[in-house]
Amino acid sequence: DTGVSQDPRHKITKRGQNVTFRCDPISEHNRLYWYRQTLGQGPEFLTYFQNEAQLEKSRLLSDRFSAERPKGSFSTLEIQRTEQGDSAMYLCASSLGTVGPNYGYTFGSGTRLTVV
Amino acid sequence: GQQVMQIPQYQHVQEGEDFTTYCNSSTTLSNIQWYKQRPGGHPVFLIQLVKSGEVKKQKRLTFQFGEAKKNSSLHITATQTTDVGTYFCAGNSGGSNYKLTFGKGTLLTVNP
Repeated sequence: DTGVSQDPRHKITKRGQNVTFRCDPISEHNRLYWYRQTLGQGPEFLTYFQNEAQLEKSRLLSDRFSAERPKGSFSTLEIQRTEQGDSAMYLCASSLGTVGPNYGYTFGSGTRLTVV
Repeated sequence: GQQVMQIPQYQHVQEGEDFTTYCNSSTTLSNIQWYKQRPGGHPVFLIQLVKSGEVKKQKRLTFQFGEAKKNSSLHITATQTTDVGTYFCAGNSGGSNYKLTFGKGTLLTVNP
């Protein structure tokens, strides 16, 4: 296992188009998170899965955003009718969900979305 | 909702100088984690602190968790150019979701 993979790395889209991002977590990790990061800011929580169940969704996430994790493996994040304000780095992370000095999130390299 | 604040926002040092970043949470935390993000990269996990008053060291990095579990600090001794990046603290307020709330980070630049 080489870590958390995200695809694509970059996406440029026209305003109003739909985009979908994919995340493949570390296989032993049952928890998967999506975060969004803009320049000069820390990652901002979007949504969380435990196995295939989406257990929490940020109030900041509009109805244009939807995420799935079929069969508790990979996850997809879809943004419909993109707006310029959606331009950001979308980060996926996975974790074991265990408290301890060595148990943190493993982030993927992210998908950088630019809406023009 | 929970807020995590970090200061300073930026810190520029000469190589060999020490560096400290401070993190404060609006609520008591179950645990706190620290991440490093190199320019153009993604956050990389450094450590998780769980116990009140805990101090952990990783080579030149020293991490502390406050007695009240609402604040934390990261201290780097004798900075090197490889320490350049943004350091984020991230708090977990408990519960089974292990959701982290990140601070805005401290960008460290090191002049060789």
